Amino acid sequence: EVQLVDSGGDLVQPGRSLRLSCVASGFDFDDYAMHWVRQVPGKGLEWVSGIRWNGDDTGYADSVKGRFTISRDNAKNSLYLQMNSLRPEDTALYYCAKDINPLLGYSYAFDYWGQGTLVTVSS
Amino acid sequence: DIQLTQSPSFLSASVGDRVTITCRASQGISSYLAWYQQKPGKAPQLLIYEASRLQSGVPSRFSGSGSGTEFTLTISSLQPEDFATYYCHQLSGYLFTFGGGTQVEIK
Repeated sequence: EVQLVDSGGDLVQPGRSLRLSCVASGFDFDDYAMHWVRQVPGKGLEWVSGIRWNGDDTGYADSVKGRFTISRDNAKNSLYLQMNSLRPEDTALYYCAKDINPLLGYSYAFDYWGQGTLVTVSS
Repeated sequence: DIQLTQSPSFLSASVGDRVTITCRASQGISSYLAWYQQKPGKAPQLLIYEASRLQSGVPSRFSGSGSGTEFTLTISSLQPEDFATYYCHQLSGYLFTFGGGTQVEIK
């Protein structure tokens, strides 16, 4: 059974940093691209970042480019999101999601999602 | 960036109704489109990928069609468990975007 377990969300002050983690099981983690998607409670979905199966290619939404860094450790079946210079508008539930494909870009869907981890940015 | 416009944003329907949701892309995206269902407090679940392919385990009353800039999700006979919010998602290129969502509620 495919499982994605997100963690690391917390209440942080503006300008501070936070690192999210996602541990995967039930599939060959190093065969697939992975992504982070966020959702403000009660609002829609926003793609944040994605990473190729081997980590050699990454992509970011304009809203987080230069502040967030996605990475993965295939030996640990883990995906990470380092979030720096956090802003109140980054407050959201963050989901990790598995891509159907190994490469980043021109894909067809995200077929499995974690349960989400809540990030609140407030003073 | 490619924008997705979903319509309607809200619809009220009865059990057994045929429901159609539309998603329009601001530029052509071939068949790089997926549909998800999200229930309150839960993560999105994949229904349709590559515009028209049914994800394994999803009931056959769900179907998707379209290519280029116009896409539809159809539920042939709405069931009680289908009341939820539906999102389209484009995956053409490297900047992925979602539609604004369609909330389906019980009439």
